[in-house]
Amino acid sequence: RKEVEQDPGPFNVPEGATVAFNCTYSNSASQSFFWYRQDCRKEPKLLMSVYSSGNEDGRFTAQLNRASQYISLLIRDSKLSDSATYLCVTPGGYQKVTFGIGTKLQVIP
Amino acid sequence: EPEVTQTPSHQVTQMGQEVILRCVPISNHLYFYWYRQILGQKVEFLVSFYNNEISEKSEIFDDQFSVERPDGSNFTLKIRSTKLEDSAMYFCASRRAGGPSNEQFFGPGTRLTVL
Repeated sequence: RKEVEQDPGPFNVPEGATVAFNCTYSNSASQSFFWYRQDCRKEPKLLMSVYSSGNEDGRFTAQLNRASQYISLLIRDSKLSDSATYLCVTPGGYQKVTFGIGTKLQVIP
Repeated sequence: EPEVTQTPSHQVTQMGQEVILRCVPISNHLYFYWYRQILGQKVEFLVSFYNNEISEKSEIFDDQFSVERPDGSNFTLKIRSTKLEDSAMYFCASRRAGGPSNEQFFGPGTRLTVL
């Protein structure tokens, strides 16, 4: 199993829809997880952290399922500005972090 | 809001030439990182740096690569003899002391093109 696996998509959803992405990880000892957002040809930007069972910030909810070793990101009421690639990030060592390939979201008017 | 800056934004070089990519991390951050992203591929960890030394590096970070913090503000990545496959976007990142290892703030990147 890869360290971090994501469905690359693209997910094409209409404005206002709810969309969810999953990310599976292989290191069962991982304690912290993050979702980053990356716009085309731009740097990754931290979206949300997931330390325990989950985290919610406005329209965004991140969940962690340790038993099945996956984290999810739920986006409610999708906006056009949510169109981006969403990167799942987990620790891979003392300082190293491992990025998933990212899931591309396209919100359609 | 403080941010990580990188120069140049785009560097074009000939194969075999040396390049130095520059980064200015956020001023009160103590951990520094370099990543690369080949077009269409995932972001890959290269190296982490703390207390003036490398703390971890990936298998990509071979003898052709080196990092340095020459003064109190700059953090550089040097590629001694560039190859075609070094063409990528290179991101610098930094984080504050005490924060989780993943809460990193990224610079806008330097696009390196090796001809």
